Amino acid sequence: KAGVTQTPRYLIKTRGQQVTLSCSPISGHRSVSWYQQTPGQGLQFLFEYFSETQRNKGNFPGRFSGRQFSNSRSEMNVSTLELGDSALYLCASRGIENTEAFFGQGTRLTVV
Amino acid sequence: KQEVTQIPAALSVPEGENLVLNCSFTDSAIYNLQWFRQDPGKGLTSLLLIQSSQREQTSGRLNASLDKSSGRSTLYIAASQPGDSATYLCAVRPIGTASKLTFGTGTRLQVTL
Repeated sequence: KAGVTQTPRYLIKTRGQQVTLSCSPISGHRSVSWYQQTPGQGLQFLFEYFSETQRNKGNFPGRFSGRQFSNSRSEMNVSTLELGDSALYLCASRGIENTEAFFGQGTRLTVV
Repeated sequence: KQEVTQIPAALSVPEGENLVLNCSFTDSAIYNLQWFRQDPGKGLTSLLLIQSSQREQTSGRLNASLDKSSGRSTLYIAASQPGDSATYLCAVRPIGTASKLTFGTGTRLQVTL
């Protein structure tokens, strides 16, 4: 059974640009969550999608957005990139309620 | 607001030692608690999931306990090996927050030969 797949693995962008990251959950999982990991702030929750609907949102500016498709794949978009957006972005998928969350390998975003 | 703390922040032990990692959380209203390991620059690997109604879970050399009323969990690693070197993170899923996990800051473990 394939795990959670995130693409691309690495990205370098310039300030002011926008970026789209992709996450394919484990087959059959309908919940996809996104997290940002930085050395200073640790792992912080961005948002969660379930059956194409955003179910929960963390405390991030509106430049961070996401969506989920009917096949449960999810994308997150960051517009007007800032240097502080440099981070490892992780997505997690989960099956039925109260079960384990499984994480992908992450996308390392560097903003220069 | 749920806060999760992990002590110690870093730990270095010789191979073969048994060790305990600690995790504490401020709000006992949780669905479950999950332990992860993270290798440098990589994603998170799930180690153990403990439901709020459970007291412990075991997988191989790993044993995790949960005392929800006191807001504590421990991860016990038996007979540590150099391959166990990684950062260990605990995360709780608060009730009423759907899939949101609140993470601790992690314990960086180094097992030396």
